[in-house]
Amino acid sequence: EPEVTQTPSHQVTQMGQEVILRCVPISNHLYFYWYRQILGQKVEFLVSFYNNEISEKSEIFDDQFSVERPDGSNFTLKIRSTKLEDSAMYFCASSAARREHEQYFGPGTRLTVT
Amino acid sequence: DAKTTQPNSMESNEEEPVHLPCNHSTISGTDYIHWYRQLPSQGPEYVIHGLTSNVNNRMASLAIAEDRKSSTLILHRATLRDAAVYYCILYHMEYGNKLVFGAGTILRVKS
Repeated sequence: EPEVTQTPSHQVTQMGQEVILRCVPISNHLYFYWYRQILGQKVEFLVSFYNNEISEKSEIFDDQFSVERPDGSNFTLKIRSTKLEDSAMYFCASSAARREHEQYFGPGTRLTVT
Repeated sequence: DAKTTQPNSMESNEEEPVHLPCNHSTISGTDYIHWYRQLPSQGPEYVIHGLTSNVNNRMASLAIAEDRKSSTLILHRATLRDAAVYYCILYHMEYGNKLVFGAGTILRVKS
């Protein structure tokens, strides 16, 4: 069964450093998403991406964040200058071009900012 | 965003059916009812969705009230692997493509 994959599974970085989180969505999906979950809190939407552009973003997704689909398979989330409060699980998801838009999530990348 | 209300937690015995309720009294006519679950230390997992009629798939059944103001996710025979947080989410393209997760229901399964 096709699945969303994410790398790395765990990333440790120092405050102020740039990080890139990588995702490979399901191959025939057209919509891509990033969510995050701070330990013990709810899953929060960050951004959605369709047709090579951001279709929606949350208040969390400020100028420090960017997304890119550099080739036909990868979808990346970049945090330009990490803060302690960026420490969280980051989940990538994808969905097909269907009205109901059920989303399929990856296993997540645990980002620890020290 | 339309709101859903779920119990904080529920407990079930292994091999028994589980009925997870969700209230969504402000649902609009075109909102889909989605259910996801999140197993410990994993990403959310799509379970099932529906609009008006009851739905069945290999994972679960979804029973939707006639007035659509509530729904119930049914796990026919709970296993220890079903212990997870279950989220009931209303979805409509007008809300954008995002899923808005609440706190969900923590399901504990006893052996």
